[in-house]
Amino acid sequence: GDSVTQMEGPVTLSEEAFLTINCTYTATGYPSLFWYVQYPGEGLQLLLKATKADDKGSNKGFEATYRKETTSFHLEKGSVQVSDSAVYFCALSDRRLYGNEKLTFGTGTRLTIIP
Amino acid sequence: GAGVSQSPSNKVTEKGKDVELRCDPISGHTALYWYRQSLGQGLEFLIYFQGNSAPDKSGLPSDRFSAERTGGSVSTLTIQRTQQEDSAVYLCASSLRTEETQYFGPGTRLLVL
Repeated sequence: GDSVTQMEGPVTLSEEAFLTINCTYTATGYPSLFWYVQYPGEGLQLLLKATKADDKGSNKGFEATYRKETTSFHLEKGSVQVSDSAVYFCALSDRRLYGNEKLTFGTGTRLTIIP
Repeated sequence: GAGVSQSPSNKVTEKGKDVELRCDPISGHTALYWYRQSLGQGLEFLIYFQGNSAPDKSGLPSDRFSAERTGGSVSTLTIQRTQQEDSAVYLCASSLRTEETQYFGPGTRLLVL
């Protein structure tokens, strides 16, 4: 079945550092790809998404590009802030295959930014 | 506007007891999903509702788990004869239509002693 593998954490960076969190996927169909974020004490929320190959999702300074040839969707940000400290989940869905948008998640990466 | 709400926020129960977890989706959202977040298994899909129907129950781990949705709105996830491995955070998400973004509730943290 479909699966998502993401970078093991935790990741600790200094403020203004460059961030990359790796995500690769295995899928039989043509999935949509997502990054979700869970801030401390809050629920999961969508950060960005891409629905087809070569699409770039972006939000709040974060970007990720859907790479079909490498089955990857790495999350990047050029200059992180303390407020970016959270757990980040890579996920996929495939409505054409399953008939709904149920999400398959990676294990999550805890990011801590120190001032 | 109001987001997805879940109740209770925390539940402690004894092994063998039944529990009911409630989800109130965003008003007007036709699609509803239940997920489970546990230390051993990560975040995993349980069941999908479109209106009051559940066309995809493939993620329910055993026949002790069941769910229903009434009036195209509130959903209840029931776990019968709870086991310690059922301890997890149960998350509900809803979307306006199946293909739209899912909005997650804060979750119910279940602890089975």
